[in-house]
Amino acid sequence: DAGVTQSPTHLIKTRGQQVTLRCSPKSGHDTVSWYQQALGQGPQFIFQYYEEEERQRGNFPDRFSGHQFPNYSSELNVNALLLGDSALYLCASSFWTFGHEPQHFGDGTRLSIL
Amino acid sequence: QKEVEQDPGPLSVPEGAIVSLNCTYSNSAFQYFMWYRQYSRKGPELLMYTYSSGNKEDGRFTAQVDKSSKYISLFIRDSQPSDSATYLCAFDTGTASKLTFGTGTRLQVTL
Repeated sequence: DAGVTQSPTHLIKTRGQQVTLRCSPKSGHDTVSWYQQALGQGPQFIFQYYEEEERQRGNFPDRFSGHQFPNYSSELNVNALLLGDSALYLCASSFWTFGHEPQHFGDGTRLSIL
Repeated sequence: QKEVEQDPGPLSVPEGAIVSLNCTYSNSAFQYFMWYRQYSRKGPELLMYTYSSGNKEDGRFTAQVDKSSKYISLFIRDSQPSDSATYLCAFDTGTASKLTFGTGTRLQVTL
């Protein structure tokens, strides 16, 4: 049973460029959340997708956008990259239910901005 | 005041010791309480998950929640070098949309 998979594992970009990160959720999961984790910090919520729509968004600028596909996989896009965007980007998946299910994380994409 | 406070450590203990990791929180809307373990260059791995006050045990790990004091703890018994990692507390209001994390405590278990 494959867990959450993310690609690429590591990416180097320069300021002003654009980047796309990809995530495949755990089998059976339909909800994908994205987090940014700066060095020495806990993950910060960016946004969550369910049924191909953004359901909730954290305190991140519009340069951060996303998409969810019919097979539940997701992309995170960041435009006009800044040095401060250097971080580990984590994808988490869960199964939406009227109850509650914990989120499971992938190993992330480490983004370095030069 | 930050929503979640967690001592970043590092915390260094000898093998076999009992480890206590703690977080305090201020948001009364938090209903679900989680501990994740994160090894270097890896993603967070769910260790413990609970939604009620009291203790929950899983092997060498015990999660404790005190909602009245807004305080959660993770205890690790008989600690092993393989337990060396960063431990993140995480909270959810129940809408299953956004997790709020502590900064993480770095734990080193020495031989």
